[in-house]
Amino acid sequence: GESVGLHLPTLSVQEGDNSIINCAYSNSASDYFIWYKQESGKGPQFIIDIRSNMDKRQGQRVTVLLNKTVKHLSLQIAATQPGDSAVYFCAENNQAGTALIFGKGTTLSVSS
Amino acid sequence: GAVVSQHPSRVICKSGTSVKIECRSLDFQATTMFWYRQFPKQSLMLMATSNEGSKATYEQGVEKDKFLINHASLTLSTLTVTSAHPEDSSFYICSAREADTGDHEQFFGPGTRLTVL
Repeated sequence: GESVGLHLPTLSVQEGDNSIINCAYSNSASDYFIWYKQESGKGPQFIIDIRSNMDKRQGQRVTVLLNKTVKHLSLQIAATQPGDSAVYFCAENNQAGTALIFGKGTTLSVSS
Repeated sequence: GAVVSQHPSRVICKSGTSVKIECRSLDFQATTMFWYRQFPKQSLMLMATSNEGSKATYEQGVEKDKFLINHASLTLSTLTVTSAHPEDSSFYICSAREADTGDHEQFFGPGTRLTVL
């Protein structure tokens, strides 16, 4: 079946450090991947996306890397700030390409 | 940016009653809206995909007679939890995909916290 998972449920970093959050996906036919940030009691917030014809995409302080060979997705956050503390989910297209399948989530804690 | 709202933000009801949750796209038209459920410390689980003017497509294991979805316009979808029970207590989140863009991106609402006593 389809599934998207994350390697680590929690990640703790110091303010100013770079954070790397990883995700493994199982559907080799997926052509679209997204990272979301979810703060407590709120809906997911779009961070960055990437299509399967790319292996890297950069945004403001964030970079997403896609390795289709090993079906691995990562989110890099530069100069992590306390406001980055949240749960981060990766998501991929389902097999029909009609909906998103979410991974389990990584809780990022940033200490000052 | 594209904004999706949900109403109410939280609701407490008695067991056996029905609860309606609204999802609106405020500044764009959405042919497709999605309903997710999220239990504490878990991921979002897709419940159903709602297409404007047609019946919703439910994920396996989601009872369509219990979770009634209506998508009567390009800016509004509703989820009605019928005969709610304590195990239905959860965080319900909707998302919307903009019409005619061919884009996969979904815009999420702020969620509705349902507590069934």
